[in-house]
Amino acid sequence: ILNVEQSPQSLHVQEGDSTNFTCSFPSSNFYALHWYRWETAKSPEALFVMTLNGDEKKKGRISATLNTKEGYSYLYIKGSQPEDSATYLCAFIYNTDKLIFGTGTRLQVFP
Amino acid sequence: NAGVMQNPRHLVRRRGQEARLRCSPMKGHSHVYWYRQLPEEGLKFMVYLQKENIIDESGMPKERFSAEFPKEGPSILRIQQVVRGDSAAYFCASSPWRGRGNEQFFGPGTRLTVL
Repeated sequence: ILNVEQSPQSLHVQEGDSTNFTCSFPSSNFYALHWYRWETAKSPEALFVMTLNGDEKKKGRISATLNTKEGYSYLYIKGSQPEDSATYLCAFIYNTDKLIFGTGTRLQVFP
Repeated sequence: NAGVMQNPRHLVRRRGQEARLRCSPMKGHSHVYWYRQLPEEGLKFMVYLQKENIIDESGMPKERFSAEFPKEGPSILRIQQVVRGDSAAYFCASSPWRGRGNEQFFGPGTRLTVL
């Protein structure tokens, strides 16, 4: 059974704090790792698609790293803002196109 | 370019009725995926379709559930004789091609409530 674990489950930070979350996935038969941002009552929105060991991707204040050999990815948010409040999902693809999702990290940023 | 469209957004059915959920992929996308989110759970893969073909249905319950993506028109997820346990949010996603680095674009979901 393929399992994707995310930690922490939830996080509350003050505006301006930097934060990071972890996604752990099976390291064998790796295909790709996706990060999604999901705001309440909206659709999940893709942040990054990562395919190569050592990949580092950045979009504004958000960045992600990937280690396929040990099976983890980190998502970093620098200087969190209230509009960053959302659930951050990672999803693993191992040999087909179906996404296997973690349960997400719920981030709340307080002004 | 409109995003992925799903309708209805909310659907209420009584036990034993049929539910039909529609998904129109983004323009130019020929790959559609359906995911389900049961209460208090994460998103779970159900089925992956390419125009007129089911590619992977390993996440579909064996009975009462079916999916299609015809040459013309939206993809349909059909649930026959619904039961209370089918109450969930159903999301579809689409992509233009298959392969590594492939981003999936999600629709807003259909929330099914079975009374």
